[in-house]
Amino acid sequence: EAQVTQNPRYLITVTGKKLTVTCSQNMNHEYMSWYRQDPGLGLRQIYYSMNVEVTDKGDVPEGYKVSRKEKRNFPLILESPSPNQTSLYFCASSLRGRLATQYFGPGTRLTVL
Amino acid sequence: AQKVTQAQTEISVVEKEDVTLDCVYETRDTTYYLFWYKQPPSGELVFLIRRNSFDEQNEISGRYSWNFQKSTSSFNFTITASQVVDSAVYFCALSNNAGNMLTFGGGTRLMVKP
Repeated sequence: EAQVTQNPRYLITVTGKKLTVTCSQNMNHEYMSWYRQDPGLGLRQIYYSMNVEVTDKGDVPEGYKVSRKEKRNFPLILESPSPNQTSLYFCASSLRGRLATQYFGPGTRLTVL
Repeated sequence: AQKVTQAQTEISVVEKEDVTLDCVYETRDTTYYLFWYKQPPSGELVFLIRRNSFDEQNEISGRYSWNFQKSTSSFNFTITASQVVDSAVYFCALSNNAGNMLTFGGGTRLMVKP
């Protein structure tokens, strides 16, 4: 089954404790992206990757890092999480970046205390 | 910079009523794509439709229809004969010309009551 998977689905952590949210897709998509969803703000793009070893900032990259060493994986790293990073995070992928439809993972609900 | 506005934060209707969700966008690109996604209470994002900036034909898919008007920069979504299962948050989104940035509106929460 074609899908985007994220782990963990739920995470409660404390300020400053480094964490990684994994994202994997099995559709051989070149393009992958991370979003955060906050009430009233919709989804905002954090980082995206057009292909392996190519990453770029979205609208809200501060406090996040990403890497794209393999085509299928695009982990999101919070080196020193803060309470304002409490949010619902979505990973997405598409066959090609240019105007293609993005397919989303199930979401990761992160709480930083 | 591009922007998507969904002015209706919440709509409540009774089952079988028709409902229209508004979406207004801003972009400097001449080529772009518009999307609608549905987020049911379970939380996942479900793709509904993609429309490119050169195709202003309205589209109908079952009870769903979309009205794209370039002149008013709007891409509205209508559900005919709404059902309880339509209750969800609906997002309108705009892709830039390069295809690497997807900008979402704030979403409209639709509640369909039996």
